[in-house]
Amino acid sequence: EPEVTQTPSHQVTQMGQEVILRCVPISNHLYFYWYRQILGQKVEFLVSFYNNEISEKSEIFDDQFSVERPDGSNFTLKIRSTKLEDSAMYFCASGELAGGLNEQFFGPGTRLTVL
Amino acid sequence: RKEVEQDPGPFNVPEGATVAFNCTYSNSASQSFFWYRQDCRKEPKLLMSVYSSGNEDGRFTAQLNRASQYISLLIRDSKLSDSATYLCVVNSQAGTALIFGKGTTLSVSS
Repeated sequence: EPEVTQTPSHQVTQMGQEVILRCVPISNHLYFYWYRQILGQKVEFLVSFYNNEISEKSEIFDDQFSVERPDGSNFTLKIRSTKLEDSAMYFCASGELAGGLNEQFFGPGTRLTVL
Repeated sequence: RKEVEQDPGPFNVPEGATVAFNCTYSNSASQSFFWYRQDCRKEPKLLMSVYSSGNEDGRFTAQLNRASQYISLLIRDSKLSDSATYLCVVNSQAGTALIFGKGTTLSVSS
C-alpha cells in the first residue's frame, strides 16, 4: 500500500538555525500539505500546495516558513530561523481531492526539537 | 467558539463494550468530515470519512447532522487494539485544510 514518507524522523537544531524537512507524497496525489502538532496539543494546519503553488496557508505559516517541490517526488518545508516554539511534530500529508472528498494521508512525521 | 470540539475523555471501557464519541463543528460551510485515529506519538490515520446519510465500516458507524453541526462515531464490540485517540476532523471553508479537534482518548481493557 502506498504511503507518505518523511525524513528525518527526528531533527535537533539550535535556535536561529535553518531546517529543511522532507517528504515524499503518495505518487499519484496532486495535493500536498504540512501540519504540525505541539506536544499535548491538537494537529494544526500550516499550508496546502497544488500545481506548484500555495493554495491555502494558516496564520502560523509566516515569512519564516516556505515550501517547495524541487523535483517530481519531494515536497519540503523550510523554517528559516527556528524559534523554541517551533519545537513540534511536523506531519506531511497528501491527497487527491477526488469528487470533493478531501481525504488526506499522513506521513510518520518529523520531530523537531529546537534548543 | 472553537472550530471543532470534542469531549477529551478519557473513555475507559472493557473489551466488548460499545462506545460513542461526539463532536461539534462551528463552520456551517464545511463540506468534508472525517474520523482519524492517532496512536501515541504517531501520525493521524484516516479511520473513515463521514457521509451525510451516515455510514458503517465493520464495527464503526459514523453519523453526520448538518443542521446541528454534529458528528458522531460509534464503536461496537471494542477491542484492545481500539485504544487510541480519536480525532474529529472537518475541512476548512476554503476546502483544502483539515481542521482537527483535540481528540477523545479511548482505553479498552481486558
